Amino acid sequence: SQQGEEDPQALSIQEGENATMNCSYKTSINNLQWYRQNSGRGLVHLILIRSNEREKHSGRLRVTLDTSKKSSSLLITASRAADTASYFCATDLNYQLIWGAGTKLIIKP
Amino acid sequence: NAGVTQTPKFQVLKTGQSMTLQCAQDMNHEYMSWYRQDPGMGLRLIHYSVGAGITDQGEVPNGYNVSRSTTEDFPLRLLSAAPSQTSVYFCASRPPGLAGGYNEQFFGPGTRLTVL
Repeated sequence: SQQGEEDPQALSIQEGENATMNCSYKTSINNLQWYRQNSGRGLVHLILIRSNEREKHSGRLRVTLDTSKKSSSLLITASRAADTASYFCATDLNYQLIWGAGTKLIIKP
Repeated sequence: NAGVTQTPKFQVLKTGQSMTLQCAQDMNHEYMSWYRQDPGMGLRLIHYSVGAGITDQGEVPNGYNVSRSTTEDFPLRLLSAAPSQTSVYFCASRPPGLAGGYNEQFFGPGTRLTVL
């Protein structure tokens, strides 16, 4: 069974707008990670947030973590066409990463 | 560094055939893993290894075998292919974290397998 669930399943926005994706999980974690997957490619790590952190930034990415609600969000600001991809959250516990089904993000020009 | 490499990129098998998917990494990572990705789903862990000579099962291990004789290589064997094993297979490796545990995962480009 999958640990994480992303919401929404699909998101279509105009270039320049902000995109927000959410991830919920079920058990306690060591850290939570976000990855991007371009169509037909392998996954690329975006950002890792540890269980004792609440917010983290990397360029145009902002990740929050609420361990009391077992949820995380990924915000991409000032979206670009190149951000079109699927985004996955993965929770890290006991040597294993458990993955959600992903959010498919489409950036319209 | 080449990172994580996988061969082949594409493979078509007939039901009952066996084959080995190859995975290698040149980053000296102790932790390696195999996932399958089916349409509309996230990755599901098949097997993983925390070092040479050590392997363990993930979420969906049935029908697959692994071995880890070296740090660099982690092959995945399909014993008797079935149509349900049609999927995209990803190999990945992870470096250890500073405070124990592991950090981000590095992925290979994937192998697209079709079983007829």
